[in-house]
Amino acid sequence: GENVEQHPSTLSVQEGDSAVIKCTYSDSASNYFPWYKQELGKRPQLIIDIRSNVGEKKDQRIAVTLNKTAKHFSLHITETQPEDSAVYFCAASKGTGNQFYFGTGTSLTVIP
Amino acid sequence: DTAVSQTPKYLVTQMGNDKSIKCEQNLGHDTMYWYKQDSKKFLKIMFSYNNKELIINETVPNRFSPKSPDKAHLNLHINSLELGDSAVYFCASSQEVGGATEAFFGQGTRLTVV
Repeated sequence: GENVEQHPSTLSVQEGDSAVIKCTYSDSASNYFPWYKQELGKRPQLIIDIRSNVGEKKDQRIAVTLNKTAKHFSLHITETQPEDSAVYFCAASKGTGNQFYFGTGTSLTVIP
Repeated sequence: DTAVSQTPKYLVTQMGNDKSIKCEQNLGHDTMYWYKQDSKKFLKIMFSYNNKELIINETVPNRFSPKSPDKAHLNLHINSLELGDSAVYFCASSQEVGGATEAFFGQGTRLTVV
């Protein structure tokens, strides 16, 4: 099956700075890459996603980049705010039956 | 309206017991999943059901069995509970529309085996 690796496992940034989280995947057939945010005690919720036919996607302060050749994708959060503090998960899916394989998560702390 | 709902939210039980967690989605999705999130926060796929057919079953003990009475429900039954089963279990659903799309998660069930 797919193997998704995620780094770093923990990340602390000052408010207003940028945060970058990186993931790699193993299965070249994966074509959908969502990012989920999970606040303490809550369910994971989608914040942004990207498909394999797109190299970059942006939504306000959040952006995702994808390098299909290298099989890696990254989440970029600019102008971080304390409410960005959460655990972030990357995932990969081939679409067939929609199997989602998650990375190990990054605990982001934004220091006011 | 809650898109994906699971019950109970908390479940405390003794070792050796049998328990079930229920999940329902009102999104009309074709695929439903169960994920286990352990103390290290890792989200591990357990099962997925597509149109009532089991299409994936990662290395999960056969004490765990998914049951889907219809497309909108995927319940998780666990026999002979063990201490190591303690975790948060999430149900999710998604729909493939021209490719994979967002998975919506339930609020989670925190299972504690004592």
